[in-house]
This record gives sequence, C-alpha cells and structure tokens, in this order.
Amino acid sequence: GAGVSQSPRYKVAKRGQDVALRCDPISGHVSLFWYQQALGQGPEFLTYFQNEAQLDKSGLPSDRFFAERPEGSVSTLKIQRTQQEDSAVYLCASSEWTSEDNEQFFGPGTRLTVL
Amino acid sequence: GENVEQHPSTLSVQEGDSAVIKCTYSDSASNYFPWYKQELGKRPQLIIDIRSNVGEKKDQRIAVTLNKTAKHFSLHITETQPEDSAVYFCAANPRGSGGGADGLTFGKGTHLIIQP
Repeated sequence: GAGVSQSPRYKVAKRGQDVALRCDPISGHVSLFWYQQALGQGPEFLTYFQNEAQLDKSGLPSDRFFAERPEGSVSTLKIQRTQQEDSAVYLCASSEWTSEDNEQFFGPGTRLTVL
Repeated sequence: GENVEQHPSTLSVQEGDSAVIKCTYSDSASNYFPWYKQELGKRPQLIIDIRSNVGEKKDQRIAVTLNKTAKHFSLHITETQPEDSAVYFCAANPRGSGGGADGLTFGKGTHLIIQP
C-alpha cells in the first residue's frame, strides 16, 4: 500500500516568506508526528497529533511554527516569516495506534532552504 | 527531557566483518528503542526495535541488546555487506508511554561505511 507522502519535496523560500508543508499519512493511522532534521543530525521532534488533536507541541522552536490536522488525516506544518535557521528537512511520520507496539513510518521529507 | 548519545559518529569496517553502534539514554522511564537506517536523501526506515521487557532481539544479521540498568543499547550487524552502508540512528521514547504516542528522541547518527 501507499506509504507516507509529503509535498513539496523541495521548497526554496526567501527570508520572511511564509511556507506550508503537507503530509499525507498512511490511511487509517491515528498518530502523526513532525520532525525537523538539520544537515548531518538526527531528526528532532516538533509536534504530535492523535487524530485531529494536537497532544504535544513542545518541540516547536518558536511561535512562527504552527501545525494542524483538522480532519484527522492530512496535516500541514506552517512556518511564518521564515529565517535562515529554519533550513532543514521536515519529516512527517505516522503510526497505526497510540499503544506501545508501534512503528513510526516516515515520509520522504520536505527539504526547505531559506535564502 | 530525554537525551540520547550515540557513538561512534563514523564507523568503517571491511566487508564481511561485524559492526557495533552504541547508544545511551537518560530517561529511565523510556521503554521503546528503535533503530533506523537512512540512506542519502531517503527517508529513515526502521530496521529493528526493542522494548524494555526484552534484553536482546535478533533478525537475521541484525541484533539489538538493551541494558536497562546501565541505560544503554547497541546495534550489532554481522557479515556486513556493501548495501549496509548508510547512516544509522538510535532513538528512545521519552516518558515511556509507548512508541506510537510519543515523539522519539534520536541520537546524532552513525555513518557506517563498508569497505569492499
């Protein structure tokens, strides 16, 4: 079946622009996560949704970052007034349930470059 | 919060030899420890995971060991092959409420190079 998909795959923004990154999780997956992966680093947790509820947003680096999942499926990560330090790969992951026995399936990521 | 340390950052081994990557974690409540493989420009993919009620798990050439007392876990790859070349990440789930309900905390990664 189809895996997690993300769009766009690449995004170039000028400093100060707003961007929106989309994630399509595996159909039926309850949990959805966003991570930020800087070059040469491991993914860093940003936020977590259980269906449409955003249960954890402790990893969002500033109030310029906003995520939503209004119908419990597709999610959008929005970054306002982008800064150069926002340049990274943004990964989305989904998992079937919220119980312990859960693999997180990752999407291919969106590479954001802020000039 | 949880802190995961991973060593080494780069590991070069001869084809056919074994490779070992080690991680430590700080949150004693963590109970799920996955390992991901990421090829250049690709998505991370789970290769093996272990839960805190198990000390060791094996899947063909890959094994993971967990020492809860010392708070460290290791990835072992035997009979390495060229296709094993990639970056490997260990991770732990903070607060220990389950791998699906928590954002994972990742190590910084190990670049594994298999020399022909």
